[in-house]
Amino acid sequence: SQTIHQWPATLVQPVGSPLSLECTVEGTSNPNLYWYRQAAGRGLQLLFYSVGIGQISSEVPQNLSASRPQDRQFILSSKKLLLSDSGFYLCAFTSGGASYNEQFFGPGTRLTVL
Amino acid sequence: EDKVVQSPLSLVVHEGDTVTLNCSYEVTNFRSLLWYKQEKKAPTFLFMLTSSGIEKKSGRLSSILDKKELSSILNITATQTGDSAIYLCAVFNFGNEKLTFGTGTRLTIIP
Repeated sequence: SQTIHQWPATLVQPVGSPLSLECTVEGTSNPNLYWYRQAAGRGLQLLFYSVGIGQISSEVPQNLSASRPQDRQFILSSKKLLLSDSGFYLCAFTSGGASYNEQFFGPGTRLTVL
Repeated sequence: EDKVVQSPLSLVVHEGDTVTLNCSYEVTNFRSLLWYKQEKKAPTFLFMLTSSGIEKKSGRLSSILDKKELSSILNITATQTGDSAIYLCAVFNFGNEKLTFGTGTRLTIIP
C-alpha cells in the first residue's frame, strides 16, 4: 500500500537557523511530489512541486528551497529561517506520476520560528 | 490566476442536522475538483469529481459537481461530532498541473 512519511512532526527553531524537512513515499514509483504550507486560518499554499528526480518547480519567491535526491524523497530546506516561515508544512504525492489524480498528504510538520 | 471560494467560512450545527458546504471556482483548464477533510493534522481525501451531475457518495457524505455553474456542493446528512473538521475544496488545472485550494469551511457539530 502507498504511504507517505514526514518528519519531524513538530519543530521550534530560532530566527536565522537552518531548516531541513524530509518527506518519503512508499508503495509507488515515479510519484509527483508537492510541498504546501498552511498558515493559521488560511488555505494550503503550494510551495514546490516535482515531477521527477532533480526536477523542482517553485511557486512563490521565498527563502525556502526544495530538492529531490531520490525518486521517493522530497526535502524542504532553508539556510536562514524567518518569523514568517512559521506554519504547518505538508508534503503530498500523486501516484504513478499522474498529477491529475487525487493527492495524498503526509502527517505534516508544525514549524514555529521564534 | 485560478481561484477557489468556499462558503460558509464556518458553520455550527447540532448533531443529527444535515449540512451543505459550497465551493465555487475559476480555473482556466479544469480537470477535476477534489474535497478533503482536515481534522487536527493532514487533509484526508474524500472525493474527486470530474463530470457534471454525477453524485459521488460515501456513507453520509455526498458531493456533486456543476460545471455550468462552476461549483460543487458537499452534503453531510445525520451529522455526528466526528464530522467536526475543516473541509477543503481544490481544483486541478491540467494546463499547469496545479491544485488550487480554497481556505476551507470549518464545521463544528454540537452534541
